[in-house]
Amino acid sequence: DQQVKQNSPSLSVQEGRISILNCDYTNSMFDYFLWYKKYPAEGPTFLISISSIKDKNEDGRFTVFLNKSAKHLSLHIVPSQPGDSAVYFCAAGPYNQGGKLIFGQGTELSVKP
Amino acid sequence: NAGVTQTPKFQVLKTGQSMTLQCAQDMNHNSMYWYRQDPGMGLRLIYYSASEGTTDKGEVPNGYNVSRLNKREFSLRLESAAPSQTSVYFCASSETLNTEAFFGQGTRLTVV
Repeated sequence: DQQVKQNSPSLSVQEGRISILNCDYTNSMFDYFLWYKKYPAEGPTFLISISSIKDKNEDGRFTVFLNKSAKHLSLHIVPSQPGDSAVYFCAAGPYNQGGKLIFGQGTELSVKP
Repeated sequence: NAGVTQTPKFQVLKTGQSMTLQCAQDMNHNSMYWYRQDPGMGLRLIYYSASEGTTDKGEVPNGYNVSRLNKREFSLRLESAAPSQTSVYFCASSETLNTEAFFGQGTRLTVV
């Protein structure tokens, strides 16, 4: 029973274009969502988060959108750069039980020059 | 500027052997975590410690024990390793339970 799903194992995008990574969740108690980025042989690094009181959060080239009714969130990277090539994980959980996050399987993004 | 440091980086164990994975953070964080990552799966929480002196089970605690030795250190122990525990283990810390976590570089463990 996967409560957080990233249905695309991989995504390939041209440099300068938009990358859209998707994530679906099933647990309606989840109200805290994060994206992490992971390079090979390194630990994940935090990218951006959003709580359920918002439907959008921006940080530079990265924007996370949350659609609570559809239980769906997405990460937009504009413009994409070759250095963005990595595995991206979404994570979700109840804010009042923070730390007990459920991670998706990850999407490997490849940005081609 | 170390952040979260895990030792060792690589380890091979025989079935039934025991070992302890060490983790230390220098960010004065209250909360610490142990995750495992298996191919095709996301990170799964094994145990976490909300603050010094407390530990709680995560999603997949069976076969593991933890110790929050002090505010800086959180260790993970495998008492009797099994091949199913072959994985990459990540330690992480965060200021509180509700803030983003910072991860170590991981320990690649193989149990043969």
